[in-house]
Amino acid sequence: RKEVEQDPGPFNVPEGATVAFNCTYSNSASQSFFWYRQDCRKEPKLLMSVYSSGNEDGRFTAQLNRASQYISLLIRDSKLSDSATYLCVALNTGGFKTIFGAGTRLFVKA
Amino acid sequence: NAGVTQTPKFQVLKTGQSMTLQCAQDMNHEYMSWYRQDPGMGLRLIHYSVGAGITDQGEVPNGYNVSRSTTEDFPLRLLSAAPSQTSVYFCASSAVLGQGSGNQPQHFGDGTRLSIL
Repeated sequence: RKEVEQDPGPFNVPEGATVAFNCTYSNSASQSFFWYRQDCRKEPKLLMSVYSSGNEDGRFTAQLNRASQYISLLIRDSKLSDSATYLCVALNTGGFKTIFGAGTRLFVKA
Repeated sequence: NAGVTQTPKFQVLKTGQSMTLQCAQDMNHEYMSWYRQDPGMGLRLIHYSVGAGITDQGEVPNGYNVSRSTTEDFPLRLLSAAPSQTSVYFCASSAVLGQGSGNQPQHFGDGTRLSIL
């Protein structure tokens, strides 16, 4: 079992829809969490960090549930430009290992 | 502002050849890492380094060597290329906070697309 698991999708949603992705991690020592966005054939780019209390950045909301060991990303009012692969990341502070999930593909349609 | 620079961007090798993928960053980041990305597999950590002279293995280290002689550079060596190493390779770097605080998010290079025939 991978340390970080994501639903690969794809998620196909119309413009304006709300969509949510979940990501589970198995290493309870993981301390830092992030969501990255990756466009086709491009490098991953940071979308947002995930804080214990939950955090919001415009249309994007990230949540962390340490008890159940999962993080989530909510996208409201989806835009065509949100079409991409979303990667969740867990960092084991002690070992400095950065583990990526396999990614969830999102297609937003007009 | 260069950030993380990877060279080459594309490379074709024959089985058994050796090659070094170059990675350099100009942000004085302590943490550097190499990933490979294959279809449906996401990014898998090959090797990482938390500072000059310090390296460690990631999820898929076999067939790859690294060294970190300077803060800026973190080359990845394929000693004897195999078709299974055909992939897109990404180098990344980040700052490292104080102990127990975790890493900052990583900055990625553009990637090296490597094909081994």
